[in-house]
Amino acid sequence: DAGVIQSPRHEVTEMGQEVTLRCKPISGHNSLFWYRQTMMRGLELLIYFNNNVPIDDSGMPEDRFSAKMPNASFSTLKIQPSEPRDSAVYFCASRYRQGADTEAFFGQGTRLTVV
Amino acid sequence: GESVGLHLPTLSVQEGDNSIINCAYSNSASDYFIWYKQESGKGPQFIIDIRSNMDKRQGQRVTVLLNKTVKHLSLQIAATQPGDSAVYFCAERGGGTSYGKLTFGQGTILTVHP
Repeated sequence: DAGVIQSPRHEVTEMGQEVTLRCKPISGHNSLFWYRQTMMRGLELLIYFNNNVPIDDSGMPEDRFSAKMPNASFSTLKIQPSEPRDSAVYFCASRYRQGADTEAFFGQGTRLTVV
Repeated sequence: GESVGLHLPTLSVQEGDNSIINCAYSNSASDYFIWYKQESGKGPQFIIDIRSNMDKRQGQRVTVLLNKTVKHLSLQIAATQPGDSAVYFCAERGGGTSYGKLTFGQGTILTVHP
């Protein structure tokens, strides 16, 4: 398996534009997490899914952020409209199942810069 | 007001020394813990894990200790090498209403000098 795949690796966009980040989890994993990493706040959990259903989105900063998981092999994190303070590295991670004592595997991240 | 960034704890050691990295977790209902290593420009990578019914687990050159009484984890790295230089995070899997939720500590920067 190629691991968790995120795209794009880098994204530079202008303030006010819509940004969509994509994630393909490891095949067979049914828990998926979106994290944001910044110097200011470290590694923050934004939302996580179990069996494609959002379980906890309490970390989503505001209504400008939304996440979907239409099927077991794909998830998106969308920011609309984007703002400079959204600049960060966004990580997606997947895990075998919610209750398993197994680690979450991380993608390489998407570095987002909003100018 | 002026915003400040996180002031990550730092640990600087000489090659060959043993390193101990500490972490305090927040949820007394957390039942599973993981240590991750993150190198520059990469996502966090798994090092070792431990269940809440254990107090110690050993891997290759690494040992994790868990003290549930004070909600404290530590990662011990034996014979630290320059390649161990990275940011180290502990993560906890929540219990109760937060079951399955994986949250991370702030991280510790480890620098190993040759």
